[in-house]
Amino acid sequence: DQQVKQNSPSLSVQEGRISILNCDYTNSMFDYFLWYKKYPAEGPTFLISISSIKDKNEDGRFTVFLNKSAKHLSLHIVPSQPGDSAVYFCAARGTMNYGGSQGNLIFGKGTKLSVKP
Amino acid sequence: DAGITQSPRHKVTETGTPVTLRCHQTENHRYMYWYRQDPGHGLRLIHYSYGVKDTDKGEVSDGYSVSRSKTEDFLLTLESATSSQTSVYFCAIRNPGQGTFSGNTIYFGEGSWLTVV
Repeated sequence: DQQVKQNSPSLSVQEGRISILNCDYTNSMFDYFLWYKKYPAEGPTFLISISSIKDKNEDGRFTVFLNKSAKHLSLHIVPSQPGDSAVYFCAARGTMNYGGSQGNLIFGKGTKLSVKP
Repeated sequence: DAGITQSPRHKVTETGTPVTLRCHQTENHRYMYWYRQDPGHGLRLIHYSYGVKDTDKGEVSDGYSVSRSKTEDFLLTLESATSSQTSVYFCAIRNPGQGTFSGNTIYFGEGSWLTVV
């Protein structure tokens, strides 16, 4: 039973346009959300995060939006660049008292973004 | 880059043989994790450690054991490797830090590619 869902396995975008990657979650106990980017043959790298007390966090070309009522978050990349082509993972963390999980992250299955020149 | 070193980076082993993957960190972070990444499954937590000799199971712990005798080292052992354990294994670290939301980010190593034939 997936608690963090990335329903689009892949996304193709033209260079310079906006990329929107989506993520849905089912557990209202999640209080912190993160996005990671992964290139082939490398480890995932942290990209941007947002806490549940906010609805938007921006870092350069990357913006994450959180809609708590819909249990939905999205990552916007503007403008998209060919170097952004990678797999993007959404992750969520429960509150510290959630199920004794020690604050572990739960990841979605990832979305492969391809930015075409 | 987070100071995380995984070894070996690549290994081919035969079914039924024991395999140990090593994760070494220079950050003195309290939490360490082992994840596996498989197509269609994203990143799944195998085991984690919240201190020396303090470990716990993750989502996919069957067939794996871990040990942490020093802060800097976290070992993942496959007691008797099976073909279903062919995967990419990532070690990760986290420092809880101070404050409610700080220290939620985990940092990944470069990965260990394991093939069980």
